[in-house]
Amino acid sequence: GENVEQHPSTLSVQEGDSAVIKCTYSDSASNYFPWYKQELGKGPQLIIDIRSNVGEKKDQRIAVTLNKTAKHFSLHITETQPEDSAVYFCAASSDDYKLSFGAGTTVTVRA
Amino acid sequence: DAGVIQSPRHEVTEMGQEVTLRCKPISGHDYLFWYRQTMMRGLELLIYFNNNVPIDDSGMPEDRFSAKMPNASFSTLKIQPSEPRDSAVYFCASSPTVEGTEAFFGQGTRLTVV
Repeated sequence: GENVEQHPSTLSVQEGDSAVIKCTYSDSASNYFPWYKQELGKGPQLIIDIRSNVGEKKDQRIAVTLNKTAKHFSLHITETQPEDSAVYFCAASSDDYKLSFGAGTTVTVRA
Repeated sequence: DAGVIQSPRHEVTEMGQEVTLRCKPISGHDYLFWYRQTMMRGLELLIYFNNNVPIDDSGMPEDRFSAKMPNASFSTLKIQPSEPRDSAVYFCASSPTVEGTEAFFGQGTRLTVV
């Protein structure tokens, strides 16, 4: 089955700086790569996703890049704000709707 | 739409008791997923349904766990008998039919087995 590894497990950044989270996956058949943000006491919420036919996608301060050859993808958050503090999960899936999640990254934005 | 609705939000039970977690997916979504979240193992997919039919239950840890979806608007996850190691946050999520689309998560049920 799919194995998704995520790094780092914790990340502390100064407000206004950028944050980068990296993930690798094992199943070359995976073609959908979402990123979820989980705030305390809530369920994960999709913030951005990318499909295998695209190398990069951007939505305001958030961007995701995908390298299918190397089987890794990354989340970039620019101009971080205190409300960006949360746990971020990457995930990967092939055509059967099953999402395999990374272990999560706890991001803390220091004011 | 109110989103995916789970109940209860918190459950504390004694070891050996039966526990039933409930989920109402978003109307019109054909896929329903049950996940378990722990510090040690992260987010694990337990089982998922398509049009009320269980498709893959390979993530269900033991026979003590069972899940049903009697209709398109309701699903249950039952643990009988419960054990302390079942303590976790259990999430229900639903997705529309289109392949590779967003899974919408509920708020979760925090289960504590003492």
